[in-house]
Amino acid sequence: AQTVTQSQPEMSVQEAETVTLSCTYDTSESNYYLFWYKQPPSRQMILVIRQEAYKQQNATENRFSVNFQKAAKSFSLKISDSQLGDTAMYFCASLRLGNQFYFGTGTSLTVIP
Amino acid sequence: EAGVTQSPTHLIKTRGQQVTLRCSPISGHTSVYWYQQALGLGLQFLLWYDEGEERNRGNFPPRFSGRQFPNYSSELNVNALELEDSALYLCASSPSGGSADTQYFGPGTRLTVL
Repeated sequence: AQTVTQSQPEMSVQEAETVTLSCTYDTSESNYYLFWYKQPPSRQMILVIRQEAYKQQNATENRFSVNFQKAAKSFSLKISDSQLGDTAMYFCASLRLGNQFYFGTGTSLTVIP
Repeated sequence: EAGVTQSPTHLIKTRGQQVTLRCSPISGHTSVYWYQQALGLGLQFLLWYDEGEERNRGNFPPRFSGRQFPNYSSELNVNALELEDSALYLCASSPSGGSADTQYFGPGTRLTVL
């Protein structure tokens, strides 16, 4: 089984500042995928960003980017220019082909005006 | 394109009762996943169905069961409800279970057991 660890239960950031959410994972697979999901207070979980393990280049989606360190099995999410709408629970997840997703316990992020 | 839908939105039951939750995946998706999100515990994987078959289940007792229908919709059944079953139950779908497709989540069903 894969395990995903998010060591920061809660974080806060000032509006317009940058924040980094940490995630580590444990897998023996060489081919896998990593995800960050966001769950705003309204509950609907949505995909933020996705990274294929075989790609060395870090994924980027507008203000969201990841720092993927394969050897260290680390997959952190950086949110630049934080906005009030970024307030949410963030979940890190891993997936290997033919298997189900494994989620971390989540980080609750609050953006302070 | 319609997203993943779940019904009902909210449910209140008493201990010992049985409940059925329903999920309709995005059109064309064959895989359905069920998660339990209890307060402060993150997402706990419950069940995974793909092409009508149960592919895997999480560390939950047998009173949690489900099935997937030919149209790929799914039901989650919980028998002999206990207080600790109170949680948000999330359903997610993906195009197929063998690929690396992203999961798309429904809005969830909030179950309260009194």
